[in-house]
Amino acid sequence: DADVTQTPRNRITKTGKRIMLECSQTKGHDRMYWYRQDPGLGLRLIYYSFDVKDINKGEISDGYSVSRQAQAKFSLSLESAIPNQTALYFCATSDLQRPQLAGLSYNEQFFGPGTRLTVL
Amino acid sequence: KQEVTQIPAALSVPEGENLVLNCSFTDSAIYNLQWFRQDPGKGLTSLLLIQSSQREQTSGRLNASLDKSSGRSTLYIAASQPGDSATYLCAPLSRTYKYIFGTGTRLKVLA
Repeated sequence: DADVTQTPRNRITKTGKRIMLECSQTKGHDRMYWYRQDPGLGLRLIYYSFDVKDINKGEISDGYSVSRQAQAKFSLSLESAIPNQTALYFCATSDLQRPQLAGLSYNEQFFGPGTRLTVL
Repeated sequence: KQEVTQIPAALSVPEGENLVLNCSFTDSAIYNLQWFRQDPGKGLTSLLLIQSSQREQTSGRLNASLDKSSGRSTLYIAASQPGDSATYLCAPLSRTYKYIFGTGTRLKVLA
């Protein structure tokens, strides 16, 4: 089973509709992130959460909101979808910084498979 | 504000060539730098992570180096194969624990 899952994988909706994208992880990581990817613009950070009570805006948070329901779940909502929110959305997780042990990596980021959202 | 640039933007090479992909970043105060691979329409797969205290990391035919003081990282792919065709992204981790991504290098390896 995948460590980071996203639902739905594809969604087509209409302008003005409310949409929720969900992310779940089984990696036990405290940190979770939402990005969007547009052709030629790379990945841009929407929101990030360092634990259940700590949620922060990224560089493009306008028009989006998030909810961290549990350590393992982080949802992204578009309150009133508009066509320029058509993009590929990714959820990601990473662990807390810990003293580096031989052969281990920390603060490594792991991505879900993405949700392709089309707003008509 | 951290800015990340990847050069070249696109690359097409015959199979078997050794490749160098470049990543530069403007703020050298980073915890680590991660290299990813992305296939079209797919998610990102982590390839290598270099901590700020390290100079390089190796995994199979891949080798990544980091020169934090000059704001550069290089991904070296040895003996390229058609299966290496993908977009390669680098992402340094800032001191505020945010990853900033470059726009990637789109690689095509021809059989």
